[in-house]
Amino acid sequence: GAGVSQSPRYKVTKRGQDVALRCDPISGHVSLYWYRQALGQGPEFLTYFNYEAQQDKSGLPNDRFSAERPEGSISTLTIQRTEQRDSAMYRCASSFPSGLTGELFFGEGSRLTVL
Amino acid sequence: GIQVEQSPPDLILQEGANSTLRCNFSDSVNNLQWFHQNPWGQLINLFYIPSGTKQNGRLSATTVATERYSLLYISSSQTTDSGVYFCAVDQRNYGQNFVFGPGTRLSVLP
Repeated sequence: GAGVSQSPRYKVTKRGQDVALRCDPISGHVSLYWYRQALGQGPEFLTYFNYEAQQDKSGLPNDRFSAERPEGSISTLTIQRTEQRDSAMYRCASSFPSGLTGELFFGEGSRLTVL
Repeated sequence: GIQVEQSPPDLILQEGANSTLRCNFSDSVNNLQWFHQNPWGQLINLFYIPSGTKQNGRLSATTVATERYSLLYISSSQTTDSGVYFCAVDQRNYGQNFVFGPGTRLSVLP
């Protein structure tokens, strides 16, 4: 697509529920990144993919968080057994070319609220 | 890991004024980007500038990689320039893990 697309834009869930956030990167971008942004702070790295391979997941806070990109395009970030501290803006970005220097382009984000 | 500092943390300007935002980083970097987060939360790319100088309208940026800093210049500021300006750096040769600074919050008053 023309830009990075994320869905849902807003998600309100109850503590303990699982949520799945979706990211559709810019067409042709082989690298895809997930960031989390708390209110009043800068985005923090979670994980990134080159094609379908998850290259770095060092930023995932714990094993309730996981991400996949099975066909090297659309990615899903899943949070299991959500907790109130998971409330944040979750941002996806993509870049080209694979692995080399490249400009990041962000989507509009998915705002998660855990009650 | 690499540390990124931005100054000033907050800035209030009258419309038409000029400003300079600074980004310092603690180690050599391969990539550097400046972003503007507008009041609606969108992260907008301003400059991809690992080194050198670039200009885009009223905005320009300079990165002096050897001295580990970058500057963002805003001239003739407008109310639409309000928001938070982030500097993000990456120091990996392969793959990217941009680390963001804490941001500079700019308010431009009419």
